[in-house]
Amino acid sequence: GNSVTQMEGPVTLSEEAFLTINCTYTATGYPSLFWYVQYPGEGLQLLLKATKADDKGSNKGFEATYRKETTSFHLEKGSVQVSDSAVYFCALSDQWPQKLVFGQGTRLTINP
Amino acid sequence: DADVTQTPRNRITKTGKRIMLECSQTKGHDRMYWYRQDPGLGLQLIYYSFDVKDINKGEISDGYSVSRQAQAKFSLSLESAIPNQTALYFCATSDPGQSNADTQYFGPGTRLTVL
Repeated sequence: GNSVTQMEGPVTLSEEAFLTINCTYTATGYPSLFWYVQYPGEGLQLLLKATKADDKGSNKGFEATYRKETTSFHLEKGSVQVSDSAVYFCALSDQWPQKLVFGQGTRLTINP
Repeated sequence: DADVTQTPRNRITKTGKRIMLECSQTKGHDRMYWYRQDPGLGLQLIYYSFDVKDINKGEISDGYSVSRQAQAKFSLSLESAIPNQTALYFCATSDPGQSNADTQYFGPGTRLTVL
């Protein structure tokens, strides 16, 4: 079946550091790939998505590229801020019935 | 006002009690979902509904039941709660008619503790 594996956390960085959170997936067919973010005490929010190979999703300075050859969708940001502290989830959605499968989440803490 | 609301936000109950978690949405979406979040395990799908008459089991439906009372309302019930159902529960919606039909929108969650 479909599955998503994320980089183990927690991750702690200093402000303005470069961020990478690794995500790899196993799926049949051509899934869509997502990064969701969960701020403290809140529900999940869509951060970015990509729907086909070589697509790049981007939002709020975060980027991720759909790499079919390596089955990966790594999240990157060039300069993190304290406000980026949250839990980040990688997920995939198959084409039908479009159910989301989540990775285990990575807790990110940014220190000033 | 939030598009997807969940009540209650926090609940403490005892083993064996029946409990219902409610989800309402104003987004007009046909599809609704219930997930459970446990530390270190991400979110797991409990049930999903593609319209009022279409309800499907997810990965971990045992011990849970659902009711889709209307397009806007989707309730999750624990008939006889047990401690290992202590978790954070999320409701989500999606709209199959849009180009981003695969994107889901989440409520703020209900933290349930079963003693």
